[in-house]
Amino acid sequence: GQQLNQSPQSMFIQEGEDVSMNCTSSSIFNTWLWYKQDPGEGPVLLIALYKAGELTSNGRLTAQFGITRKDSFLNISASIPSDVGIYFCAGIYGGSQGNLIFGKGTKLSVKP
Amino acid sequence: DSGVTQTPKHLITATGQRVTLRCSPRSGDLSVYWYQQSLDQGLQFLIQYYNGEERAKGNILERFSAQQFPDLHSELNLSSLELGDSALYFCASSPRLASGGETQYFGPGTRLLVL
Repeated sequence: GQQLNQSPQSMFIQEGEDVSMNCTSSSIFNTWLWYKQDPGEGPVLLIALYKAGELTSNGRLTAQFGITRKDSFLNISASIPSDVGIYFCAGIYGGSQGNLIFGKGTKLSVKP
Repeated sequence: DSGVTQTPKHLITATGQRVTLRCSPRSGDLSVYWYQQSLDQGLQFLIQYYNGEERAKGNILERFSAQQFPDLHSELNLSSLELGDSALYFCASSPRLASGGETQYFGPGTRLLVL
């Protein structure tokens, strides 16, 4: 089946540092979504991308839909302690009915 | 708050039992998706309903079934439960079929523990 390779698996950074994570696939995706999940909670949508090359920001977060449609990245600038959590990429590929394929997640830890 | 509600929040049961998880989508959303999240498998798509009809199936076991009712709420039925069914079960909704690229909004999940 379809797979998304998300990296890194985990990051431990200092408050104020910038963060970058990405997802790649061997298949073409129509939509890329980035979610954040806190322990015991449901994933919360951060950014949605619908077009190849699209660059979208949400506060300190910026995400891009790769030109090849096979990858996406998420950047977090000037990290703060509340950025701690697990970040998931998710995609919808052509031919599906819209169900999301998820990456394995990037666990972010921020040291004050 | 995503607007998607799920009940119960926690469920503890024994092997061999049957449980029903409930989801109410955001107001006006016609599509409901069910996902399972376990430590080893991550988030996996189970099944999708659109306006009462099943539209897509993912990695859903035959012991599991779902339905969407006329008021658009959905139920996920898990039967003959096994220890390995312990997981977080999430419901998500979107206004229409998301194949056109619509986003999905997730509920808070139901944590199932099978003892």
